[in-house]
Amino acid sequence: EAGVVQSPRYKIIEKKQPVAFWCNPISGHNTLYWYRQNLGQGPELLIRYENEEAVDDSQLPKDRFSAERLKGVDSTLKIQPAELGDSAVYLCASSLDAGGGQPQHFGDGTRLSIL
Amino acid sequence: AQSVTQPDIHITVSEGASLELRCNYSYGATPYLFWYVQSPGQGLQLLLKYFSGDTLVQGIKGFEAEFKRSQSSFNLRKPSVHWSDAAEYFCAVAAFGGDKLTFGTGTRLAVRP
Repeated sequence: EAGVVQSPRYKIIEKKQPVAFWCNPISGHNTLYWYRQNLGQGPELLIRYENEEAVDDSQLPKDRFSAERLKGVDSTLKIQPAELGDSAVYLCASSLDAGGGQPQHFGDGTRLSIL
Repeated sequence: AQSVTQPDIHITVSEGASLELRCNYSYGATPYLFWYVQSPGQGLQLLLKYFSGDTLVQGIKGFEAEFKRSQSSFNLRKPSVHWSDAAEYFCAVAAFGGDKLTFGTGTRLAVRP
């Protein structure tokens, strides 16, 4: 089966510019996650979707971050405006369903650098 | 709230030597436990998981992990390390019945020829 696909792989922008990341989950996976991974750290959850609904966005900085998952498939994560501290790897993951310990499958991530 | 501690930031072992990576978790009930591996520039790949039952779980690439409730540990082991095992390893915990993963800070493994 095809894995989780993310694009772009790398993005370099100046601070205060907008940026968007795209994720295509594994076919049939209802649950989609966005994580942020700072250098030398483990991933931290930003938002979780079950189908089209954002069911956990408590860690998403809503003043500058937004996300959407149209038709319960692809998802886009946006930052506007970007700040220097947003430099990180943004990972998308998907699983069949939420709960029950379903394993999460990760994409290769988007490495964001803010100048 | 659940948490994970990986006390070793870096570990270097010789190729062919055995490996043990430590993971301690904090959670009030029986958790779901996972080990993931991340190669440079790549996403995370699931090595193995523990939900219940046999406390010794086998994973891919010859890895195994043992759940010890009394020590709140879930250490990862491999009897003979290959050069291709050099990567970063993350332990993660999820609340029972839930799927919110909390990751440790990772252990970077280097393999000496």
